[in-house]
Amino acid sequence: DVKVTQSSRYLVKRTGEKVFLECVQDMDHENMFWYRQDPGLGLRLIYFSYDVKMKEKGDIPEGYSVSREKKERFSLILESASTNQTSMYLCASRPGGGGYEQYFGPGTRLTVT
Amino acid sequence: KNQVEQSPQSLIILEGKNCTLQCNYTVSPFSNLRWYKQDTGRGPVSLTIMTFSENTKSNGRYTATLDADTKQSSLHITASQLSDSASYICVVRVSKAGNMLTFGGGTRLMVKP
Repeated sequence: DVKVTQSSRYLVKRTGEKVFLECVQDMDHENMFWYRQDPGLGLRLIYFSYDVKMKEKGDIPEGYSVSREKKERFSLILESASTNQTSMYLCASRPGGGGYEQYFGPGTRLTVT
Repeated sequence: KNQVEQSPQSLIILEGKNCTLQCNYTVSPFSNLRWYKQDTGRGPVSLTIMTFSENTKSNGRYTATLDADTKQSSLHITASQLSDSASYICVVRVSKAGNMLTFGGGTRLMVKP
């Protein structure tokens, strides 16, 4: 079974803090994704990566950066957390090529106070 | 602009009853459509995938339909169970390079005993 794990289920941070969200997948998938999920807005893509050290902006990259130093790990970084970044963050991975299912992690609920 | 609209936003039904969730999309060019189930506090899990040529696909008590002409899909749940309580998300993929997924806002289903 594909397994995508995220470092924290719940996280509370203060405004201005630097926040790291970690995601690890164990299926040697080329592609990895970070989404945020907000009520009424659905999932929105922040960044994705199709290979080590490669990254592409999604629909809402502002205020975020990512790092992919190893194939199995994709990190989302909030350089200076703000209250409008309070959200559920979901990581996903899938094999390279098109049409494959994305496998999601359990999510990290981040609250910025 | 690519959009995926789901209805209703929320639904409450009694255990054992059937229900149908709707998904309308304006995504083009169309590649495939997936329905995901997302339990509270968890990441989405794929239920079905449908391509342009498929009209109906079943997965146990879940049956998805696709009308590519009207750009509509539905997810029918038969003999609902308490464990069906979840959010159901419609996701459409565009036939382009890269990760071109458009997510619907989801339908939150609650099954009551």
